[in-house]
Amino acid sequence: EVVMTQSPATLSLSPGERVTLSCRASQSVSSNLAWSQQKPGQAPRLLIHSASIRATGTPARFSGSGSGTEFTLTISSLQSEDFAVYYCQQYDNWPLTFGQGTKVEI
Amino acid sequence: EVQLVESGGGVVRPGGSLRLSCAASGFTFDDYAMSWVRQAPGKGLEWVSGINWNGGITYYEDSVKGRFIISRDNAKNSLYLQMNSLTVEDTALYYCARIGVVVAAKGWFDPWGQGTLVTVSS
Repeated sequence: EVVMTQSPATLSLSPGERVTLSCRASQSVSSNLAWSQQKPGQAPRLLIHSASIRATGTPARFSGSGSGTEFTLTISSLQSEDFAVYYCQQYDNWPLTFGQGTKVEI
Repeated sequence: EVQLVESGGGVVRPGGSLRLSCAASGFTFDDYAMSWVRQAPGKGLEWVSGINWNGGITYYEDSVKGRFIISRDNAKNSLYLQMNSLTVEDTALYYCARIGVVVAAKGWFDPWGQGTLVTVSS
């Protein structure tokens, strides 16, 4: 099983700040990596797939990078609606696995 | 509009069974693989099971293998999860999710349903 490790677990930030979230895979997953956002009481929503391709409707302030085992999600300028939990997910190997999540809070 | 609506959750005793359903609309259902993903209260996301576009190939996370059965009825645009021998560790919100790439068995999840809650308790 590919273990996905996200860091940090929690980030306390202010609107307007630049944010960098990290995700590490225990083995190479090529670029088969997605990022999703989950707000309280809501289902997750896809933000990025294929490591760097924004999903339809994802604002341009979100960008993804990386390949192999190291990945990054960057939010260029935090908006109030971005405070949420972010999960990375690999789809290179079965079973499909998620990181434990990074909570971005005020 | 692409939509996934889960149903069938509820409270069940340990050892009991439950069948979840997911009704899909707004897209050509049999073009896509589907999955179930769960989230225990206050915890992260865990993929549970997946099925290819025609139901011919199924995949399971180890802890549910032999207890859960995923299936689909393309004529009814519906996905199912038969859950047997339930334990308290299966307590979670169960999401139905579409694999984001046509035909591919593996991929990102997009979109997700709103989930149905399964509580296993004595």
